[in-house]
Amino acid sequence: NAGVTQTPKFQVLKTGQSMTLQCAQDMNHNSMYWYRQDPGMGLRLIYYSASEGTTDKGEVPNGYNVSRLNKREFSLRLESAAPSQTSVYFCASRTGGVTNEKLFFGSGTQLSVL
Amino acid sequence: AQSVTQLGSHVSVSEGALVLLRCNYSSSVPPYLFWYVQYPNQGLQLLLKYTSAATLVKGINGFEAEFKKSETSFHLTKPSAHMSDAAEYFCAVSVKGSQGNLIFGKGTKLSVKP
Repeated sequence: NAGVTQTPKFQVLKTGQSMTLQCAQDMNHNSMYWYRQDPGMGLRLIYYSASEGTTDKGEVPNGYNVSRLNKREFSLRLESAAPSQTSVYFCASRTGGVTNEKLFFGSGTQLSVL
Repeated sequence: AQSVTQLGSHVSVSEGALVLLRCNYSSSVPPYLFWYVQYPNQGLQLLLKYTSAATLVKGINGFEAEFKKSETSFHLTKPSAHMSDAAEYFCAVSVKGSQGNLIFGKGTKLSVKP
């Protein structure tokens, strides 16, 4: 049971380069999320997708785009990377139902922008 | 708007001692509250959650938390710390109708001394 799979695990970019972070879940969850984690800041929501075909901005969406390719996959794209986007990125998916909320996280992508 | 505040970015205890990690929340409507744990180089895992049922919530690995509305608190405790409890702990809040979007605290790193 793979759960939530993120690729790549590590990436180094130069300022201005673009890249896409991939995320896939095999639990048939409707909702998927992208968070970034910075030291002393906790996790901050970048974008989320409540269901296939829908995406919405979270707390810190600037500089990012997302695609909900299908129910399984939710990708995060950096069009022109900046040093401020150096962070650890986590994808998550969620079980259904208001009282059964539980996020399942991937193992993260450590991104450095030079 | 909802928010959580975790008091203490770093807590150190001796093995066998009581673990107390503090979390206070702010919410204009009844909240759902969560504690997540992150082990080094891993994603977050759900420890326990409060969703308006019993105010004392028991989670995995011997942890529990008590929802106190009068104090707007949801502190995490464990009677006897184990070396394997060393990790970073995050408190989070969401509300009904928020599509499961969690607002995370900044985290508390727990160290356990032998």
